[in-house]
Amino acid sequence: EAQVTQNPRYLITVTGKKLTVTCSQNMNHEYMSWYRQDPGLGLRQIYYSMNVEVTDKGDVPEGYKVSRKEKRNFPLILESPSPNQTSLYFCASSFGQGRGNTEAFFGQGTRLTVV
Amino acid sequence: GEDVEQSLFLSVREGDSSVINCTYTDSSSTYLYWYKQEPGAGLQLLTYIFSNMDMKQDQRLTVLLNKKDKHLSLRIADTQTGDSAIYFCAERGPSGGYQKVTFGIGTKLQVIP
Repeated sequence: EAQVTQNPRYLITVTGKKLTVTCSQNMNHEYMSWYRQDPGLGLRQIYYSMNVEVTDKGDVPEGYKVSRKEKRNFPLILESPSPNQTSLYFCASSFGQGRGNTEAFFGQGTRLTVV
Repeated sequence: GEDVEQSLFLSVREGDSSVINCTYTDSSSTYLYWYKQEPGAGLQLLTYIFSNMDMKQDQRLTVLLNKKDKHLSLRIADTQTGDSAIYFCAERGPSGGYQKVTFGIGTKLQVIP
């Protein structure tokens, strides 16, 4: 089954404690991205990756890091989480440019609370 | 930068048609999308339209695009309680290079039995 898998689904952590949210896709997609969803703000892109070893900042990259060492995985790293990073996070993947009507597959989401 | 705007809330009776509207600012958009988000779930792509099309129909869903006014709408015929969800409009553009997707804040559709 084609899917994007995020882990964990729920996480409560304390300020400053490094954490990683994993994302994996099984569709051989080139393009992967991370979004955060906040009430009244919709989805905002954090980082994206157009292929292995190619990553770039989205609209709200501050406080986040990513890596793309393999095509299927795109982890989101919070080196020193703060309460303003409490949010619902989504990973998405799709075929890269040149594929016309690409479709983005979304993971189920990770609800992060930083206290 | 690009902006996508939607109304926050829509309430309809079961069996009626729902129309969710969206406006966008990027005149170089290539594709426009409608996503559905059910409670506790990720986003599911419902349908999309290429920017050189005016209309697209897919079963109960009809997408209308007015490129001149940068207005996109999603019509759901015979709305069912299972259609209750948040609907996001999104646009992708420009063509060539990095094709960023910009989302609206979502319209919550409530279907009254």
